Amino acid sequence: SQTIHQWPATLVQPVGSPLSLECTVEGTSNPNLYWYRQAAGRGLQLLFYSIGIDQISSEVPQNLSASRPQDRQFILSSKKLLLSDSGFYLCAWSVSPVMNTEAFFGQGTRLTVV
Amino acid sequence: GENVEQHPSTLSVQEGDSAVIKCTYSDSASNYFPWYKQELGKGPQLIIDIRSNVGEKKDQRIAVTLNKTAKHFSLHITETQPEDSAVYFCAAWVGGGADGLTFGKGTHLIIQP
Repeated sequence: SQTIHQWPATLVQPVGSPLSLECTVEGTSNPNLYWYRQAAGRGLQLLFYSIGIDQISSEVPQNLSASRPQDRQFILSSKKLLLSDSGFYLCAWSVSPVMNTEAFFGQGTRLTVV
Repeated sequence: GENVEQHPSTLSVQEGDSAVIKCTYSDSASNYFPWYKQELGKGPQLIIDIRSNVGEKKDQRIAVTLNKTAKHFSLHITETQPEDSAVYFCAAWVGGGADGLTFGKGTHLIIQP
């Protein structure tokens, strides 16, 4: 069966520090991968999606970047965090090629920038 | 692009009563509509979904209806229980797009004992 792992679960970082959140998927090949941000416990905003290795699309211009160095690995990064980067970050995957199927979410990372 | 509106933002019902959450979407090409339940501090989990060739789908106490003409779909929960308390998200997926689901802003469902 397929599983998705996301870590860390909780992170407190100072303003200006770098960020690296990692997500891996097991049990499937060539998944579509997504990073969402959820602010204030509501709303899921799509940040990045990827249909293959090194193929990243950004939905919202921001202080963050994403990379997909391996088929089932998706990384969310920042060189210098801002206070506004605080939030709940969710990684998700769906079946590829493009199909209208559900997205499977990880357990999320609670990021607090202080 | 697709836009999904969800109402209400907060819904409080007595245990045992029914709860209804409504969503509208803007893109008539959307053809897949899932509903997710998110418990505090966790990732969203799919609870039910419906495709555009179906008008209604039911799974025990949960049902979803879809009106393609009006471009709206609804989640119905009957005989609500305390464990139904959570945030519920509707979403829509336009066929052919790899950019995933467009989500509503969520409904905080509170079940009063």
